[in-house]
Parts: sequence; C-alpha cells; structure tokens
Amino acid sequence: EDQVTQSPEALRLQEGESSSLNCSYTVSGLRGLFWYRQDPGKGPEFLFTLYSAGEEKEKERLKATLTKKESFLHITAPKPEDSATYLCAVQTGANNLFFGTGTRLTVIP
Amino acid sequence: KAGVTQTPRYLIKTRGQQVTLSCSPISGHRSVSWYQQTPGQGLQFLFEYFSETQRNKGNFPGRFSGRQFSNSRSEMNVSTLELGDSALYLCASSLGEAGGQPQHFGDGTRLSIL
Repeated sequence: EDQVTQSPEALRLQEGESSSLNCSYTVSGLRGLFWYRQDPGKGPEFLFTLYSAGEEKEKERLKATLTKKESFLHITAPKPEDSATYLCAVQTGANNLFFGTGTRLTVIP
Repeated sequence: KAGVTQTPRYLIKTRGQQVTLSCSPISGHRSVSWYQQTPGQGLQFLFEYFSETQRNKGNFPGRFSGRQFSNSRSEMNVSTLELGDSALYLCASSLGEAGGQPQHFGDGTRLSIL
C-alpha cells in the first residue's frame, strides 16, 4: 500500500537552531517527491521537486534531499518567519499524489 | 502571473443542502485537482481533471463530483451535505502534460456544515 509518513508531527526550534524534517515513503514507482509549505488559512506553497535518489535542491535556508526511501528537509539557522506546516507529497507511477500529514514547525525568537 | 483562484473563500451550509465550489487555474495549466483537508486526515485527493476529462479519482462517495470547462476552469459539487464534509477544499493546477510536475494550490474554500 502506498504510504507517506512525516516526522516529527511538531517541532519547536530556537531562532538559529538548525534541524531536519523527515518524509519516508513506500510507493510503487516514484515519479516525483514534492515539498510544500503551508501557512494558517492558506493553501500549500510549492517549494521543491526531487526526482531521483541523490538529488538535492536548495532555497535560502532550506535544503531538500532524497534517498530511495526517504527525503529530508534541512532548515539551517531558521528564523521566526520559517514557522509553518511543511508537507511532503509523493507522486506514484500511476500518477497518484499522496500527501503526508505534515510537520508543524515553530521557530521561537 | 496570477495564481490559482478559488471562490468563495468561506461557505456555511446546513445538512442535506448541496454546494458548488469554483476554481480558476493558473493560465496555461490544463490539469486541475481537488483535495479535502481536515485536521485529522490531512490532504485527501478527490479527483483530477485534464482537458475536460476526469483522469483520476480518489476514494470519496458519489456525492462528490466535479467537472472542467474548455477554459480549464473547474467546479466541484457536493450534494446532500453531511457534518463530516466540513473541511478546507483545495484546488491545485499543473501543466499536466506528464507526471512529475508540481501542483500549485489556491487558498481554498472553507466549508462549514451546521
């Protein structure tokens, strides 16, 4: 059964304290793995697409990496404005898109 | 470039009524997908339309239906509303020509059932 699991559910960091969010997946044929950021009352905002193991993408303080079983979203020296829920989604070979339940990140000044 | 637009932003309905939600995709995007988001279940896929045809469907009852018009705009309809239908309904668009393309989301319609 296709499944996407994100951990931790919630994460509190001090400003400047780097950490990583995890997205593990079990799917039949990976066509792409997507990271999104969602703020309260808003729709998910696209961050990255990763297609194959070993691939890395960076944007400001965020860096996404991919292995054959999981992806990490590394946050370096976070700021309070990085507080949001981060969602991971996996597209299968059948073109279905499965979302994890997200990690709620809070960065404390 | 305008993003995905969903209307209305908020709706309050009572049990048994029906509702229609609207989505205008990013210009040039031909695929539109609909999702239901609730605190307990996260984002659940409803259906996807591409070039006016339903290309994929999630595991929701037949009360949930949709359609896409020739200009790629899409509507979603829910009939005989139940309390459990209270949720944020999100629409996402993508170019849709092939897999592996990111979807871009609107800010959703928050539906409350009394």
